[in-house]
Parts: sequence; structure tokens; C-alpha cells
Amino acid sequence: GAGVSQSPRYKVAKRGQDVALRCDPISGHVSLFWYQQALGQGPEFLTYFQNEAQLDKSGLPSDRFFAERPEGSVSTLKIQRTQQEDSAVYLCASSRLTGADTEAFFGQGTRLTVV
Amino acid sequence: KNEVEQSPQNLTAQEGEFITINCSYSVGISALHWLQQHPGGGIVSLFMLSSGKKKHGRLIATINIQEKHSSLHITASHPRDSAVYICAVWGATNKLIFGTGTLLAVQP
Repeated sequence: GAGVSQSPRYKVAKRGQDVALRCDPISGHVSLFWYQQALGQGPEFLTYFQNEAQLDKSGLPSDRFFAERPEGSVSTLKIQRTQQEDSAVYLCASSRLTGADTEAFFGQGTRLTVV
Repeated sequence: KNEVEQSPQNLTAQEGEFITINCSYSVGISALHWLQQHPGGGIVSLFMLSSGKKKHGRLIATINIQEKHSSLHITASHPRDSAVYICAVWGATNKLIFGTGTLLAVQP
């Protein structure tokens, strides 16, 4: 596709429900990042993939959060037993290469509201 | 203290004004990004720089590595420039660290 695509754009979940958020990166992009952005705040790092390998998951806030990228392209962020504090915009970004000197392309985000 | 600080947090300008948004960081970096985020929209990369100055249309970004400081300038501002501008640095931890953003409103 032309850009990074995330789905759904909006998700309302009842507390305790499991959710799955999808990210389709730009084809061929090696690096994929997930970020969480609370209202009025800058994005906070969650996890990073290089191809199918999850190299850094230090930002995942709890063991209820799980991310995968099994074939090195599409990634899914799963949140189990959602809590109200999980309400945020979840952003996915991909870049062609690894390292600092490569531009990151962001998706539109998924706005998750837990009620 | 955040590793990336931006100022001001909120900025209101009149159309045509010259605008400056500042970013200071406290970690060693290999690159700095300026990003734009419209309400309800995704993030668009404006600049990626590791030294000196870059210009794109009415936007100019500068960085001083020694002082750990970067500025984003908008010349001849326009209401369509209204957005959140975010500074992010690529540090030793191999991920982007974001500032909290500057909310810019340009009034006609």
C-alpha cells in the first residue's frame, strides 16, 4: 500500500474484553514500532520489530499486552482484559531500514476507548 | 524530567507571523525528527536531521548537537499550519523518544 495502514480506526471495548489492533506497514519495511499516545501527551514507545523478530518490548506496560509480527510484515498488538487506563491512541510506524538515519512513516492510529 | 522537552506547550499566532518551536533533549542522539500531527490524524514526518539546518517550503529546522537543542521555524504562518508539532529523538536505545508536543493554532 501507499502508507502504513491501521485497523480499526476506532475501537470501543468493555472493561475486561480482549482487543486486537492491526498494523499493515509499508511493503518491504524492515522496522516496525508500536507507540501508545494518551490524550494530550506525546507517543510512548511500546515495542519494536525488525522483520519478524521482536527486539525490544520494554515499553509494554503489563503482561496483558502482547505483540507479534509472525511473517515480518503485518503486526498485531493484542491487549487482554482491557482496563480503563488502556484508553489511548495506538500508533504504528514502519521504516525501510534499521537505525537512526531512516525516516519513519506513521499510521493514522487506532483510538481505543475502554468503558 | 522528560528526556525530550518542548516549548512552548501551546502557541497561538496570527496568520503571517514567524513561528519558532523549541526542543531540548538530555540524551545522546543520532538523529532528531520533527513531526506534525493533525487532530484525529496520523503523524507526518517533517524533517529528520542530525546536524545543521534543513528547509522545506516555509518550514526550517535547525539543530545544535553541542547544545542539545533544535528549533522548528514556520515562516508566513497560515491557518492550515495549525496542528501539534512533535520533536522526537533517536537515542542509543534504538527507538524514538518523543516530546509532549506543541499545540499551534494560527488564527486568520
